[in-house]
Amino acid sequence: RKEVEQDPGPFNVPEGATVAFNCTYSNSASQSFFWYRQDCRKEPKLLMSVYSSGNEDGRFTAQLNRASQYISLLIRDSKLSDSATYLCVVNGETGGFKTIFGAGTRLFVKA
Amino acid sequence: NAGVTQTPKFQVLKTGQSMTLQCAQDMNHNSMYWYRQDPGMGLRLIYYSASEGTTDKGEVPNGYNVSRLNKREFSLRLESAAPSQTSVYFCASLRSRHQSTDTQYFGPGTRLTVL
Repeated sequence: RKEVEQDPGPFNVPEGATVAFNCTYSNSASQSFFWYRQDCRKEPKLLMSVYSSGNEDGRFTAQLNRASQYISLLIRDSKLSDSATYLCVVNGETGGFKTIFGAGTRLFVKA
Repeated sequence: NAGVTQTPKFQVLKTGQSMTLQCAQDMNHNSMYWYRQDPGMGLRLIYYSASEGTTDKGEVPNGYNVSRLNKREFSLRLESAAPSQTSVYFCASLRSRHQSTDTQYFGPGTRLTVL
């Protein structure tokens, strides 16, 4: 089993749709969680951190369920510019160097 | 403020050739990392440097060496390239000395093909 698993997609949605991505992780000692965005042939960039209480940034909402060891990202009112690959990222033990990247979920938003 | 820069952007090698990938950051970050990214797989850590003067192996270190030349620069060397090392290589940096809640900043990547 991979340490961080994501549905590879692709997700094909029309503009204005709501789309949700899930990610599961295997290490219950994981400390911090992120969603990164990666455009085609570009470097990953931080989209948002994920907090236990859930957090929102405009059209994006991230949630963490520690008991079930999964993280979610919800995108509302999808835009063409949201087309990208979304990477789930999990940091391991405090003080350690155990950052694990999921393989990513590809999103295509169409007009 | 350029962030994280990498050279070269593209490289084609023949099996057995050597080369060094360069990375530099101007954010005064303490930690630096080298990853490789292959289709269908997440980024995998090759080596990292928690601070100037220290380096440690990551998940896939075989076939690579690194040098933390100073606080700004962290290079990755392939001594004898193999086709299995065809990949996209990303350098990243982090403000703190350990990966906690900090954000990693990535360079634009080097696309390496080994024939």
